[in-house]
Amino acid sequence: AQSVTQLDSQVPVFEEAPVELRCNYSSSVSVYLFWYVQYPNQGLQLLLKYLSGSTLVKGINGFEAEFNKSQTSFHLRKPSVHISDTAEYFCAVIPVGGTSYGKLTFGQGTILTVHP
Amino acid sequence: DAGVTQSPTHLIKTRGQHVTLRCSPISGHKSVSWYQQVLGQGPQFIFQYYEKEERGRGNFPDRFSARQFPNYSSELNVNALLLGDSALYLCASTPAGGPETQYFGPGTRLLVL
Repeated sequence: AQSVTQLDSQVPVFEEAPVELRCNYSSSVSVYLFWYVQYPNQGLQLLLKYLSGSTLVKGINGFEAEFNKSQTSFHLRKPSVHISDTAEYFCAVIPVGGTSYGKLTFGQGTILTVHP
Repeated sequence: DAGVTQSPTHLIKTRGQHVTLRCSPISGHKSVSWYQQVLGQGPQFIFQYYEKEERGRGNFPDRFSARQFPNYSSELNVNALLLGDSALYLCASTPAGGPETQYFGPGTRLLVL
């Protein structure tokens, strides 16, 4: 089974400041990792994903994340946030092997609020 | 190309009633997954279907059921609704149902009174 822990439920930050949203996971098998964003009253939009290769992954809207296998972490970063980045962010994993096929396991979410 | 579509967008039901939610995957995608997102929480996996066969089931009671049609669209059915079933129900599609990127629809917001 997999589990995902997002260490901060809410992160307030001022516009143009850097931000890091933290994610740790637990799994007995290899996983692929994802970050999704959810704007109010909308579905989930993929920000970025790590499947293999370089541990630094770049996504849309200037976001990037770094996979750290030894620390089982996949933290999301942005060097300079905008008001429009205000949303809820979800870290998720999916097992590569086993019988869980396409079951995504999500964290509890981090609400990012960008203040002017 | 159109993304994942879901209907209806909003729904209000009373306890004990039955509800059917619908999902159309991205063209060419053969797998659909359903998730329940209760307010303030991350989405929880309910079902995955691939080529009309159930491939996975989450920890939900038998009141929840689903099916997939030959055109790969899907229905989620919930019987004997409880207040706790109030949530955003999300549908996601993938080409082949494996550990791939899942593309989500806008969801159906269900309120049970």
